[in-house]
Amino acid sequence: DTGVSQDPRHKITKRGQNVTFRCDPISEHNRLYWYRQTLGQGPEFLTYFQNEAQLEKSRLLSDRFSAERPKGSFSTLEIQRTEQGDSAMYLCASSLSFGEMNTEAFFGQGTRLTVV
Amino acid sequence: LAKTTQPISMDSYEGQEVNITCSHNNIATNDYITWYQQFPSQGPRFIIQGYKTKVTNEVASLFIPADRKSSTLSLPRVSLSDTAVYYCLDNAGNMLTFGGGTRLMVKP
Repeated sequence: DTGVSQDPRHKITKRGQNVTFRCDPISEHNRLYWYRQTLGQGPEFLTYFQNEAQLEKSRLLSDRFSAERPKGSFSTLEIQRTEQGDSAMYLCASSLSFGEMNTEAFFGQGTRLTVV
Repeated sequence: LAKTTQPISMDSYEGQEVNITCSHNNIATNDYITWYQQFPSQGPRFIIQGYKTKVTNEVASLFIPADRKSSTLSLPRVSLSDTAVYYCLDNAGNMLTFGGGTRLMVKP
């Protein structure tokens, strides 16, 4: 396993289009996180999954944002009707959670979205 | 909202020891303290984690006082490649909340 993989690495889209990003976590990790990061800022938490269950989604930026993890393995993040303000780096991370313990989170390289 | 406070930036020179301190004024009993490093255009990378006292690994040391209201990341003998943003976090793991980080610039 080579770590957390994100696809694509870069995406340029026109305003109003829908985009979908994919994240493949480390295979044995049951927890998966999505973040957004804009220039000069720290990563901003969006949502996370424990296996296939989405346990926190109140931080998703608007109803245009949605995420799925249907089989508890890979996850997708979709942005509908993109706006220029959605331009950012979208990061995925995974960790192993057991009981009240969580291992450190491993991050992917991110998908850089540019909305023109 | 970030739970931690840390300096916005720091400068150092190659070969020096760098200490970055973070305030954890709202840390919870079951929170661990974790530090991440991030280079431009890359995702954050885990450096070290601790609960109390001192933790050391091959990269850094982490000092946490008894009241756990602060932590200090110590990087021994930094090199140019240690120029990065360093984030401190404290949470039980459900939502890793990042603040603005400390931008460390290592000069030759």
